[in-house]
Amino acid sequence: AQSVSQHNHHVILSEAASLELGCNYSYGGTVNLFWYVQYPGQHLQLLLKYFSGDPLVKGIKGFEAEFIKSKFSFNLRKPSVQWSDTAEYFCAVNPISGGYNKLIFGAGTRLAVHP
Amino acid sequence: ETGVTQTPRHLVMGMTNKKSLKCEQHLGHNAMYWYKQSAKKPLELMFVYNFKEQTENNSVPSRFSPECPNSSHLFLHLHTLQPEDSALYLCASSPERGQGSTEAFFGQGTRLTVV
Repeated sequence: AQSVSQHNHHVILSEAASLELGCNYSYGGTVNLFWYVQYPGQHLQLLLKYFSGDPLVKGIKGFEAEFIKSKFSFNLRKPSVQWSDTAEYFCAVNPISGGYNKLIFGAGTRLAVHP
Repeated sequence: ETGVTQTPRHLVMGMTNKKSLKCEQHLGHNAMYWYKQSAKKPLELMFVYNFKEQTENNSVPSRFSPECPNSSHLFLHLHTLQPEDSALYLCASSPERGQGSTEAFFGQGTRLTVV
C-alpha cells in the first residue's frame, strides 16, 4: 500500500535556526507532492507543491522543498525560521498513475519555534 | 477562506443519533475527499469521490456513509457512532488530473464529539 513517512514528529528550534523536515513515500510511479501547514486553530493550507519540472520548488514564506526521485523523498527546508512558523507540517502524495486522485498524508511534524 | 465550506463547525451527538456533515465547494473541482483528524494519529483518508463516483473507501466502518449527489456537494452520514469516532472531520476538493496540479483545498472541518 502507498504510504508517506515523516521522520520527525516533534521539532523544537530557536528563531533563526535552519529547518529541514524529512518526507519519504512508497510509490514507484509518477507522483504529485505537497507540503501543507496547519497553524493553531486554522485549516490546512498549501505551502508548496511539485508535479513536474525543476525538482527544487519554492513555496510561500521562504520555504522550499527538493524532490529526489531516486530516494523517494521530498524534504522541506527553510534557512531561518521565525516564531510565526510554529505549526504542524504535513507531507502529502498523490500517486497520479493510479487512475484517479488519492491524496495520502504523512503523520505530520509539530514545529515549535522559540523566540 | 479556501472555497470549501463545511457545516456544521461543531457537532455533539449521542451514540444512537443520526446526523450528517455537509461539504460544499464552488471551485469547479471534480474530486472530493473526507479525512479524519484525531489527536495523536495521522490524517486518515476515509473516502474519495471522482466525478461523483466513489473511488476510495479506506476500510471505513459502515456507520459512516458518504454521499456525493454532484461534484459540488459531499455529505457524510453518521449513525450509531462510538466515542472513539470523536475527531475533526475534514473535507477537501481538488482538480481532476489533467487539469494541472492536483492540489487539494480544505475546509475548516467539523469538530465531532460523540457522547
